[in-house]
Amino acid sequence: AQSVTQLDSQVPVFEEAPVELRCNYSSSVSVYLFWYVQYPNQGLQLLLKYLSGSTLVKGINGFEAEFNKSQTSFHLRKPSVHISDTAEYFCAVSDQSGGSYIPTFGRGTSLIVHP
Amino acid sequence: NAGVTQTPKFQVLKTGQSMTLQCAQDMNHEYMSWYRQDPGMGLRLIHYSVGAGITDQGEVPNGYNVSRSTTEDFPLRLLSAAPSQTSVYFCASSTQYPPSTEAFFGQGTRLTVV
Repeated sequence: AQSVTQLDSQVPVFEEAPVELRCNYSSSVSVYLFWYVQYPNQGLQLLLKYLSGSTLVKGINGFEAEFNKSQTSFHLRKPSVHISDTAEYFCAVSDQSGGSYIPTFGRGTSLIVHP
Repeated sequence: NAGVTQTPKFQVLKTGQSMTLQCAQDMNHEYMSWYRQDPGMGLRLIHYSVGAGITDQGEVPNGYNVSRSTTEDFPLRLLSAAPSQTSVYFCASSTQYPPSTEAFFGQGTRLTVV
């Protein structure tokens, strides 16, 4: 079974500073990788996804993530954060190697942007 | 587009009561799943389905039942509610066929068991 580790439960940062949210997953031959964002009292929405091809993936709201197969990582980055980026961020992986394709989620990272 | 629709949005139950959380999707996705979200625990998979008539257990299935009689609907039944089932429940649907392989989520059901 897949597992996903989000290394930081909480990341405080000042507005306009860069941020990186870290995500590692257990190895598998073929995986799809995702980052979701959850604003307070709302459901989850997709930020970006990696299926294949270029290892640098760009998403909505200026976020990007880099797939590193050798390190089994999929870290999320943004060069300059806004107050409105304050939210919970979830990394997820789905196994494409004959598994159920149902995504497994990390425990989440709370991004707190201070003015 | 409706996407994934969950009802109700809020529910309070007494210990021992039963209820069904409804989930419907209109994207013809083959996969549907139920998660519960608890503080510090992320989303944990309760049950999932890979197609009509096929269901399987996830990480935390105890106390919950599911069935999938149609592609569109995937209800979650709480058999005898317990305070430990106080949580936010999310239904999701997805497909294995690229490019849209991500999970689409409902807005969630906030359940309190007293």
